[in-house]
Amino acid sequence: EAGVAQSPRYKIIEKRQSVAFWCNPISGHATLYWYQQILGQGPKLLIQFQNNGVVDDSQLPKDRFSAERLKGVDSTLKIQPAKLEDSAVYLCASSDSFSSYEQYFGPGTRLTVT
Amino acid sequence: GENVEQHPSTLSVQEGDSAVIKCTYSDSASNYFPWYKQELGKGPQLIIDIRSNVGEKKDQRIAVTLNKTAKHFSLHITETQPEDSAVYFCAASISYQLIWGAGTKLIIKP
Repeated sequence: EAGVAQSPRYKIIEKRQSVAFWCNPISGHATLYWYQQILGQGPKLLIQFQNNGVVDDSQLPKDRFSAERLKGVDSTLKIQPAKLEDSAVYLCASSDSFSSYEQYFGPGTRLTVT
Repeated sequence: GENVEQHPSTLSVQEGDSAVIKCTYSDSASNYFPWYKQELGKGPQLIIDIRSNVGEKKDQRIAVTLNKTAKHFSLHITETQPEDSAVYFCAASISYQLIWGAGTKLIIKP
């Protein structure tokens, strides 16, 4: 079974620019998560989708971050405009249902904002 | 809300010795406690988990114990090997969302 795919793996942008990250979850997984992991910290949940609907986006900075999962499969996370403090690894994870505890993670996208 | 504290932040052990990482949580409603291993440049990988109705679980060289009364749980790795070197995260789950500890960097000395 293929794992969670993410691209790009690395991205360097200047502050105030925009950036987008893509995630393809494990086939058949209904629940998709985006996390932000700042160096030296545990992952912080940004947004959770169940199929193409948002379950929780309470920690998503909505003035600059947006995410979508239009067909209930792939997802895109966008930052516009980026700030220096957005430098982090952005992790995508999936689980087979809303009521499943086990989450499977992709390799992440390392974002550097200069 | 839930808060998870993890100790130590760095742990260095001799190859072959045991390693223990401890976590405490604040919300007694938490009912699922996974441990993840994260190697450099990779996403976290689930290595073992325990549910609130179980006190201990073992899988080969790794084990997890849970003390619900004290609200703490621990990861035990025996006979450590070089490939155990990584950052380990504990987490606690309420309503299927994970609250993470800050991580422990485990260093295995040859």
